[in-house]
Order: sequence, then C-alpha cells, then structure tokens
Amino acid sequence: QKEVEQNSGPLSVPEGAIASLNCTYSDRGSQSFFWYRQYSGKSPELIMSIYSNGDKEDGRFTAQLNKASQYVSLLIRDSQPSDSATYLCAVNPGYSTLTFGKGTMLLVSP
Amino acid sequence: DAGVIQSPRHEVTEMGQEVTLRCKPISGHDYLFWYRQTMMRGLELLIYFNNNVPIDDSGMPEDRFSAKMPNASFSTLKIQPSEPRDSAVYFCASSPPGTGVNNEQFFGPGTRLTVL
Repeated sequence: QKEVEQNSGPLSVPEGAIASLNCTYSDRGSQSFFWYRQYSGKSPELIMSIYSNGDKEDGRFTAQLNKASQYVSLLIRDSQPSDSATYLCAVNPGYSTLTFGKGTMLLVSP
Repeated sequence: DAGVIQSPRHEVTEMGQEVTLRCKPISGHDYLFWYRQTMMRGLELLIYFNNNVPIDDSGMPEDRFSAKMPNASFSTLKIQPSEPRDSAVYFCASSPPGTGVNNEQFFGPGTRLTVL
C-alpha cells in the first residue's frame, strides 16, 4: 500500500514568516515528487516539482527532498495571506500515477 | 490555451439515478485521470487512460462506476445507480506525452456531485 502522509493542520503562521510543510512517503522506489496548492472550492494546481535529493527554489518557494529519509518538504518564505490554502504532497512511485497526501491546511494571518 | 474542461460543474441527483460526468483534456495530452475528493479520504485516483486505453481501474469503487474514453478529446465517468456515499468532488486531470514517470498533471475545475 503506497502511502503519503501529511499533517492535516491547520498550520498557522503570521504574514512575513516562513511556512514549513512536511510530507513522508512509504514507497522507497518513488522517483518524482510534487506540491500542489488547492484553494477552497478550487482544483489542485501544481506549484513545485522535485526529482533529486536536495533543494529546489522557485521564487518564494523551496522544495526539499531527502530520499534516504523518504521525506519531502515545502518552504514558503515571506508568507502572504494569499498563500492560505491546502497544500497537497504527491508522489510518483515510478509509473504514471500519483499518490496524494490528504493535504496540510495553511493559514497566514495578516 | 484552454485547460481541462469538465461538465457539469455541479450535479444534484437522487439516489438510484444515473450520473454522467464529462471531461475534455488539454489538447495534445495523452494521459487522462479521474479522481474523487472527499474530506475523509482525500484525493483518490479512480482510473486513468493512456492514448484512450484504460490502464488502471483498480481505484474504481465498484461496478456501479464505469469510465470511457472514445477519443483523445473526450472522456466520461458514469455512476449507475448513484448512492449518497458517491457525493464528492470529481476531478479530471491530464498529462502531456513523453513525460513518463516525471508527469505533471493538470486538473480541471471539478464536478461537485450531491446524491440525495
């Protein structure tokens, strides 16, 4: 059973702070990892992908991957109220399907 | 470019009725996925197609659910008969060719289904 685990939250941070979202996965053979953002009542939208160990930065977002620990995280710097959403971690175990975590709700207060 | 298109956006029906959800993937994409999202179970993959062929339907809950993809630009998910526990948001997503295991999926706006 492939599993992707996330803390459901909510994770509350003040505006301007760093938000840290975490995800663990069970399938050691997983090869690609994604973070999706989902606003309430909307569809998931891809914000970051990462395929190799280390950090990947894109604007205010940094994805971090540690395959040995089966751990992937998303850092959001200078958090804004508009970042308030549910963040879904998705893992590809090596074929063309994704397994999604249930998501972490992020609340950024002004 | 148009994204993934789904219809209807909202569907309210009574238990026992047939429900048909529709999806038009992004032009040129050759993978199509159907998901169901609920608060309790999160986002679950129901079935996916590659080049119009169903590849994995192990997520389809039971025989009441069926999906077809008659051509590259259209897919349907049918529930017959519908039950209250089928109430959820159903998403269609597509992926471009050549991405293999590094696929990035693009989601449609979803259909919110309520079965009374």
